[in-house]
Amino acid sequence: SAVISQKPSRDICQRGTSLTIQCQVDSQVTMMFWYRQQPGQSLTLIATANQGSEATYESGFVIDKFPISRPNLTFSTLTVSNMSPEDSSIYLCSVEVWGIYEQYFGPGTRLTVT
Amino acid sequence: AQSVTQLDSQVPVFEEAPVELRCNYSSSVSVYLFWYVQYPNQGLQLLLKYLSGSTLVKGINGFEAEFNKSQTSFHLRKPSVHISDTAEYFCAVSDRENSGGYQKVTFGIGTKLQVIP
Repeated sequence: SAVISQKPSRDICQRGTSLTIQCQVDSQVTMMFWYRQQPGQSLTLIATANQGSEATYESGFVIDKFPISRPNLTFSTLTVSNMSPEDSSIYLCSVEVWGIYEQYFGPGTRLTVT
Repeated sequence: AQSVTQLDSQVPVFEEAPVELRCNYSSSVSVYLFWYVQYPNQGLQLLLKYLSGSTLVKGINGFEAEFNKSQTSFHLRKPSVHISDTAEYFCAVSDRENSGGYQKVTFGIGTKLQVIP
């Protein structure tokens, strides 16, 4: 298993600013995933972060808006840039231990943009 | 491409009554199937998963689900619910043919289970 923590747990930000969300895992993992969870919608994968390489973004998400860092095997950050009210959401990071076919999720960061 | 449909956005049920949360999926290839639970202000936690073998899968907290390939369904059931089961439940699917050791998982929109005392 893996225990994941996220910081901050919640934040209220002004339009046009940026917020960096941190994700810390208690064990070394190769792949980390960033999701967005909007009210009434399913979890949407933003990008996959592999240590030592550029993140892979899903359709509809771009690096300029959601830059991701993955400096080591236990840590990643997601930045939500130039925020607008439409970015208000819960952002979740998750990891999957290779071959177990089970994802472990952090508690999420609840972002409100005013 | 794959998709997941959770037919009920909210399910109220009295304590100690049985419950079924419905999930249908669409995929052109063989799939793995999952149910996750999210308690208030927490991340998602795996309830159970179907990878292969027996179509009846038992998970944590007394939940079980049955994989029905012909109906492309993976409904979640519990014979007697408790107040503590109040949470949001997500059905999810991943592509067995393209896993490469790591999955790209597609989630449903979730079903909120409200257990009434």
